[in-house]
Amino acid sequence: GAGVSQSPRYKVAKRGQDVALRCDPISGHVSLFWYQQALGQGPEFLTYFQNEAQLDKSGLPSDRFFAERPEGSVSTLKIQRTQQEDSAVYLCASSLGILAGAPYEQYFGPGTRLTVT
Amino acid sequence: AQTVTQSQPEMSVQEAETVTLSCTYDTSESDYYLFWYKQPPSRQMILVIRQEAYKQQNATENRFSVNFQKAAKSFSLKISDSQLGDAAMYFCAYRSEGGADGLTFGKGTHLIIQP
Repeated sequence: GAGVSQSPRYKVAKRGQDVALRCDPISGHVSLFWYQQALGQGPEFLTYFQNEAQLDKSGLPSDRFFAERPEGSVSTLKIQRTQQEDSAVYLCASSLGILAGAPYEQYFGPGTRLTVT
Repeated sequence: AQTVTQSQPEMSVQEAETVTLSCTYDTSESDYYLFWYKQPPSRQMILVIRQEAYKQQNATENRFSVNFQKAAKSFSLKISDSQLGDAAMYFCAYRSEGGADGLTFGKGTHLIIQP
């Protein structure tokens, strides 16, 4: 595709609901990242995939957060039993790879703004 | 863990003038990458410029250049001939050379361009 796409662009959830956020990376990109950006802050790393393998999930704030990329392309970030503190913009980024010595650029999607009421 | 600090929440510059955005970082690594990203109000994050830590020469991309001071752990962005389209949030980011951790971002600087 032309770029990274994310859906939905906006999501309002009542506290306690489950939500699923989708990311379509650039075709052929091996690496995929999820970030959480709270209002007025910089993005914070959540998790990283290389193809279908989730190699780092150290940034996931709680066990209510779960991410998958079963076929190595589209990824879904799921948040169970949403809380007000989950309100943020969730950004997805993809890159060609992530090898030592190679500063592969991360291309970002437009984000999903999640509001938990 | 690495940290990135942007001490200027907001900067304002007259159109056509030059502005410098500051960034410092803390790391115990010797090899890494530094980036400046621009995030306009539409939210799509765009890479402005990158710097490899092993390169002594400062990176330049058209009107954008950096002043990379490895010993001081400083990485400032200079925008020359500022244009209205430069108005955005600017984020400084760090990535380990091994690379599996994703990017570590600063809190950002809101750049305002005065016409």
